[in-house]
Amino acid sequence: AQTVTQSQPEMSVQEAETVTLSCTYDTSESDYYLFWYKQPPSRQMILVIRQEAYKQQNATENRFSVNFQKAAKSFSLKISDSQLGDAAMYFCAYRRGGSNYKLTFGKGTLLTVNP
Amino acid sequence: GAVVSQHPSRVICKSGTSVKIECRSLDFQATTMFWYRQFPKQSLMLMATSNEGSKATYEQGVEKDKFLINHASLTLSTLTVTSAHPEDSSFYICSARQLHPVSEQYFGPGTRLTVT
Repeated sequence: AQTVTQSQPEMSVQEAETVTLSCTYDTSESDYYLFWYKQPPSRQMILVIRQEAYKQQNATENRFSVNFQKAAKSFSLKISDSQLGDAAMYFCAYRRGGSNYKLTFGKGTLLTVNP
Repeated sequence: GAVVSQHPSRVICKSGTSVKIECRSLDFQATTMFWYRQFPKQSLMLMATSNEGSKATYEQGVEKDKFLINHASLTLSTLTVTSAHPEDSSFYICSARQLHPVSEQYFGPGTRLTVT
């Protein structure tokens, strides 16, 4: 079974600084997708970034970028120029390729942004 | 685009009663929807996969007779918690799978269920 591990229950960062959230996963599949979701206090799950396993290039979305290390099964999220609105719970998630769209989530990292 | 709504956002019911939660994809058709449960300060746990026009597929350990799922149309799935008990109190989140233009899941805002 696939597992997703987030080893940092909580992280904090100063506004305008950079922070990296860690995620490792375990799978025997070759076709899969990885995601970072943000859950602010409103509890609405928001897709931050997505990475296809077959792509070597790391995904980037504005201030958010990932470091995808396929051999190491590592998928970290870097948030640059942190803003107060980035404060939230961040979940790393895994999905197999193909028609099965079930997501497996990590336990989450609570990010605090200090002014 | 890709908006998913849930209704109600909050519900309080008495122990022993049933409560229905609706999940709607507002601007796309979703042949597949998912129901998750989230306890305070914990991650999302997949309860079941809801397929339009067929029976839902439940994850191991989830009681299908207690959590009834109906996916009668391409834009609506419902979760009914039958004979609710206080331990069923939780945050329930649905997601809907969009196929076009981008194949991905989009989440509803969640429903807070409190059983007294």
